[in-house]
Amino acid sequence: EAQVTQNPRYLITVTGKKLTVTCSQNMNHEYMSWYRQDPGLGLRQIYYSMNVEVTDKGDVPEGYKVSRKEKRNFPLILESPSPNQTSLYFCASSLSSGYGYTFGSGTRLTVV
Amino acid sequence: AQTVTQSQPEMSVQEAETVTLSCTYDTSESDYYLFWYKQPPSRQMILVIRQEAYKQQNATENRFSVNFQKAAKSFSLKISDSQLGDAAMYFCAYRTQGGSEKLVFGKGTKLTVNP
Repeated sequence: EAQVTQNPRYLITVTGKKLTVTCSQNMNHEYMSWYRQDPGLGLRQIYYSMNVEVTDKGDVPEGYKVSRKEKRNFPLILESPSPNQTSLYFCASSLSSGYGYTFGSGTRLTVV
Repeated sequence: AQTVTQSQPEMSVQEAETVTLSCTYDTSESDYYLFWYKQPPSRQMILVIRQEAYKQQNATENRFSVNFQKAAKSFSLKISDSQLGDAAMYFCAYRTQGGSEKLVFGKGTKLTVNP
């Protein structure tokens, strides 16, 4: 089944404890992207990648890191999480420009 | 910068009836892509329909269709024969071309389907 797999689905952590949210797609998509969804602010792009080893900042990159060493994987790293990073996170992938993005199931992150 | 506006925070429809969700957008590009996404309580983001701006013909997917008015920058979603499973948040989105290729989303419309 074609899909984007995110893990974990739920995560509660403490301020400053490094964490990684994994994302993997099995559709050989070039484009991958991370979004966060917050009440009143909607969905905003954090980072994106157009291909292996090509990544760049989106609209709200502060406090996040990404890497794209393989085409299928695009992990999101929070080196020192803070409470303002409590959010619903989505990974998404797309075949090429103009196509719709396929989203993962989301990761609900709470930082206390 | 592109913006997407959904003016209806909430809508309701009776089961088996038809409902139309509104969306307007602003862009200076001539070629672009528009989408409707559905987010049910499970929070999964599901692609409903896609429209290419250079195509005059309105996209349709089973019970879902759009009314795309390029000059008016309007992109409404019509759901026919509404079903209980259609209850969800619906987001209109614009895909930017080049660079980040990001989706710019509207704030969403919460659709309730009454039995």
